[in-house]
Amino acid sequence: EAQVTQNPRYLITVTGKKLTVTCSQNMNHEYMSWYRQDPGLGLRQIYYSMNVEVTDKGDVPEGYKVSRKEKRNFPLILESPSPNQTSLYFCASSWSGGNKNIQYFGAGTRLSVL
Amino acid sequence: AQSVSQHNHHVILSEAASLELGCNYSYGGTVNLFWYVQYPGQHLQLLLKYFSGDPLVKGIKGFEAEFIKSKFSFNLRKPSVQWSDTAEYFCAVNRNYGGSQGNLIFGKGTKLSVKP
Repeated sequence: EAQVTQNPRYLITVTGKKLTVTCSQNMNHEYMSWYRQDPGLGLRQIYYSMNVEVTDKGDVPEGYKVSRKEKRNFPLILESPSPNQTSLYFCASSWSGGNKNIQYFGAGTRLSVL
Repeated sequence: AQSVSQHNHHVILSEAASLELGCNYSYGGTVNLFWYVQYPGQHLQLLLKYFSGDPLVKGIKGFEAEFIKSKFSFNLRKPSVQWSDTAEYFCAVNRNYGGSQGNLIFGKGTKLSVKP
């Protein structure tokens, strides 16, 4: 079954404690992306990756890091989480070109930073 | 900067009422247009999309949307809503760089509540 898998689904942590949210897709997609969803603000892109070892900042990259060492994985890293990073996070993936660029979303990770 | 505007933050309808959710975007070039739906507690799912061709596109669950290039609009419609349509709806746009995908820009979403 084609899917985008995020882990964990729920996470409560404290300020400053490094964490990683994993994202994996089994569709051989080139393009992967991280979004955060906040009430009244919709989805805002954090980082995206066009392919292995190619990443770039989205609209709200501050406080986040990503890596793309393998095509299927695109982890989101918070080196020193702060309360303003409390949010719902979605990973998405798609093919990179033409009519195949529909993005498929993971189930989401709800993060609370105390 | 490219932006997507959704006119209504929260829409409340009774079952069987007709629905139209507005979406306007700011980019003037070739675009791909999407509507995603997020049911309570779930992830985003694609409702329908427009890449080219017939500007009236039909999606799942009886939804349709019309692309009006001159108005930079891609409004979502459904003739008769059901309680199960209660969800948040997001319009999204990405620029088509000659076949390569640009980044997806989302509107802020419209929450739809359907009263039984």
